[in-house]
Amino acid sequence: DGGITQSPKYLFRKEGQNVTLSCEQNLNHDAMYWYRQDPGQGLRLIYYSQIVNDFQKGDIAEGYSVSREKKESFPLTVTSAQKNPTAFYLCASRMMEAEAFFGQGTRLTVV
Amino acid sequence: GESVGLHLPTLSVQEGDNSIINCAYSNSASDYFIWYKQESGKGPQFIIDIRSNMDKRQGQRVTVLLNKTVKHLSLQIAATQPGDSAVYFCAESSMDTGRRALTFGSGTRLQVQP
Repeated sequence: DGGITQSPKYLFRKEGQNVTLSCEQNLNHDAMYWYRQDPGQGLRLIYYSQIVNDFQKGDIAEGYSVSREKKESFPLTVTSAQKNPTAFYLCASRMMEAEAFFGQGTRLTVV
Repeated sequence: GESVGLHLPTLSVQEGDNSIINCAYSNSASDYFIWYKQESGKGPQFIIDIRSNMDKRQGQRVTVLLNKTVKHLSLQIAATQPGDSAVYFCAESSMDTGRRALTFGSGTRLQVQP
């Protein structure tokens, strides 16, 4: 089936650790996005990429990093510089000027 | 799963009634709008979209209305069912910014009473 897959579904991070969230799509979409969602808020844009080997910061990029080496993959690393990383992370992909398709999310918790 | 949007505005309706969910946007250059439905612990699902050259679009049991003059978007759900209970987000994008990332509103929780 075509779609967008995020893994893992649940992730626990210790203080000071970097963790990487996976996002893979087989929809042949050029653009991919990472959003963060906290309770009581909508989705906030972390990073986005409109083409392979290129990406831009979104509204809340501090403490995060990404790469886009392949069209299908857009991993997000939550670094130790992110002081409040506990949240629900959503990856999406999109063809230009059409709706974005979302993965099922990764819930990250700091322990 | 854990709820998202614990402090969201809530719309409570009876099963079979029509629901109207509203959204205000601020960017007058926005030219593409989408409504998403999000169930607890899951990613958002596409419901319906509309472009700025239209003011109304209908789908199955859903209608989106766009008023560019007052920068307002609404989602109407006919004959609301218990399965419609979820959080609903509007999203917008603009070719003008060059960014083309979707910007999301804060969401509305719809509760359908049987």
